Amino acid sequence: KQEVTQIPAALSVPEGENLVLNCSFTDSAIYNLQWFRQDPGKGLTSLLLIQSSQREQTSGRLNASLDKSSGRSTLYIAASQPGDSATYLCAPHGNAGGTSYGKLTFGQGTILTVHP
Amino acid sequence: DVKVTQSSRYLVKRTGEKVFLECVQDMDHENMFWYRQDPGLGLRLIYFSYDVKMKEKGDIPEGYSVSREKKERFSLILESASTNQTSMYLCASSLPGGNGYTFGSGTRLTVV
Repeated sequence: KQEVTQIPAALSVPEGENLVLNCSFTDSAIYNLQWFRQDPGKGLTSLLLIQSSQREQTSGRLNASLDKSSGRSTLYIAASQPGDSATYLCAPHGNAGGTSYGKLTFGQGTILTVHP
Repeated sequence: DVKVTQSSRYLVKRTGEKVFLECVQDMDHENMFWYRQDPGLGLRLIYFSYDVKMKEKGDIPEGYSVSREKKERFSLILESASTNQTSMYLCASSLPGGNGYTFGSGTRLTVV
């Protein structure tokens, strides 16, 4: 069974800092890995999708890397802003118990607060 | 703007009631999912569907059932609501392989 761990559980930083959020997973047989953002009381928004054959993916100030063999992914946020405050969730997409239909397994998330 | 729509934002139901949570997507996605999210436990998969009338159990299916009669609609059913089913319920849809994963805004269900 896939298990996902995210470190740190919470992070509070001043505006402008560059950040690193870490994710590790136990089963490296994944199709891809996604990073999501969740604002309080809301649904999840997909930020980045890294295919298993890729090493990294970038979108604006966000960069995600994937080391599939070691079961690790990292989300970098450059020049953080107060609007980045949210919970960030990592979700590897793997095989669903012998079927060909993959499913996401979520970590507990990192709660990020960026203060002015 | 493409989206996943959950019919209710907040619901309050009594113990023992049969509860229906509805989810509709307009992206022609094959896959649809129901999760619940609880503090300290994160998101857990209840059921998913990869085609009309097809369903697969997720990690915590006990006490729930689902229905997918049309491609765009995926319903979660609580046969007899209990207080331990008080939670935030999130619906999602995706293309095969996990591309285009899109979540609804969630339904906060309270069972009293």
